[in-house]
Amino acid sequence: GAVVSQHPSRVICKSGTSVKIECRSLDFQATTMFWYRQFPKQSLMLMATSNEGSKATYEQGVEKDKFLINHASLTLSTLTVTSAHPEDSSFYICSAKGGGNGYTFGSGTRLTVV
Amino acid sequence: SQQGEEDPQALSIQEGENATMNCSYKTSINNLQWYRQNSGRGLVHLILIRSNEREKHSGRLRVTLDTSKKSSSLLITASRAADTASYFCATGAYSSASKIIFGSGTRLSIRP
Repeated sequence: GAVVSQHPSRVICKSGTSVKIECRSLDFQATTMFWYRQFPKQSLMLMATSNEGSKATYEQGVEKDKFLINHASLTLSTLTVTSAHPEDSSFYICSAKGGGNGYTFGSGTRLTVV
Repeated sequence: SQQGEEDPQALSIQEGENATMNCSYKTSINNLQWYRQNSGRGLVHLILIRSNEREKHSGRLRVTLDTSKKSSSLLITASRAADTASYFCATGAYSSASKIIFGSGTRLSIRP
């Protein structure tokens, strides 16, 4: 079946640094990818929609300069958390539209900012 | 949540019993999906029901959809310890055909 590979699975970074999270569709082309954020014991909040070759569409309240999204190819989207702060610590999950059931999710990235 | 609520927020049942989770949503939808998430992991797609369908089965899963009430239910029959997870409904709207929005989720615990 369709697989979306998300890396890294865990990352710890210092305040003020930037972190890049990658999401790759392994066996299908994903013209659209989605980035979600999840706090402990809470639901997934859609952050932005990433479209190959064009600018991402951000949800209300999400800072586009803080969370940079790049979708340079049909199989890769990246989320960069810039100048990370402890409040950015969260679980980030990507999903790609395509591959059978419509949406395939990555395994998530646990970001801890210290 | 961005789209709607699920109830109960948490559910603990004995192994072998049936578990029912409900989901309500706010906008018109094209389809509704149910996902499972084990702690700290990604999401696993369980089942998709389209807006013109009322009920769908997949193994021990039964999903219903009532578009007039903007609600859906997920029934897991003969629960097993491995069913312990969080369950989320997610909706795809007609107005934004691509993105899906998640409900608040139900944390299900199966007691052995």
